[in-house]
Amino acid sequence: QVKLLQSGAALVKPGASVKMSCKASGYTFTDYWVSWVKQSHGKSLEWIGEIYPNSGATNFNEKFKGKATLTVDKSTSTAYMELSRLTSEDSAIYYCTRRATTALRYWGQGVMVTVSS
Amino acid sequence: EIVLTQSPTTMAASPGEKVTITCRASSSVSYMHWYQQKPGASPKPWIYDTSKLASGVPNRFSGSGSGTSYSLTISSMETEDTATYYCQQWSSNSPLTFGSGTKLEIK
Repeated sequence: QVKLLQSGAALVKPGASVKMSCKASGYTFTDYWVSWVKQSHGKSLEWIGEIYPNSGATNFNEKFKGKATLTVDKSTSTAYMELSRLTSEDSAIYYCTRRATTALRYWGQGVMVTVSS
Repeated sequence: EIVLTQSPTTMAASPGEKVTITCRASSSVSYMHWYQQKPGASPKPWIYDTSKLASGVPNRFSGSGSGTSYSLTISSMETEDTATYYCQQWSSNSPLTFGSGTKLEIK
């Protein structure tokens, strides 16, 4: 079955960067867009952007351009998201998802990122 | 950007009561998707393409709507339905967006 296994929680200092991973299994990794979603504590969901593993093409929410960098490693079926110049506003849970048409049909377990000195 | 407005923000329903959650879009969208999220868990796909139930979703749930107005309905509320529900759209010329969520509790 489809699984998206994300890396563990991260505690990072303000101004630093963090890179998280999302390992896909149970399907052909290169056939589906991988989207990333942010959920700040107690709040709603925000779409960050997505990457198509086959080509590396990306689409971003304008709000997250310059903040998030999306990459993939096709050899390990793993997607990555790096967040740069972190502030307290970046403290949140980040989910990777697999998109099918316009819906996010599979979700990872989430990565909690805490930005604190 | 298409803004999705959910109502109500929070609600409580008695067991067996019919529940309707509404999601209104600032512009017309072709489909609406819904997710269920319980505390400490990832959102779960719940209804996709407006009215299709995701695998394992009880058939007391249904989805409907078109254009700018969509809804999720529970025909008979059960304790296990306590959760927050989010609507989501993705149309051309707009980023993917979510509603602000409806927290549903049992009375």
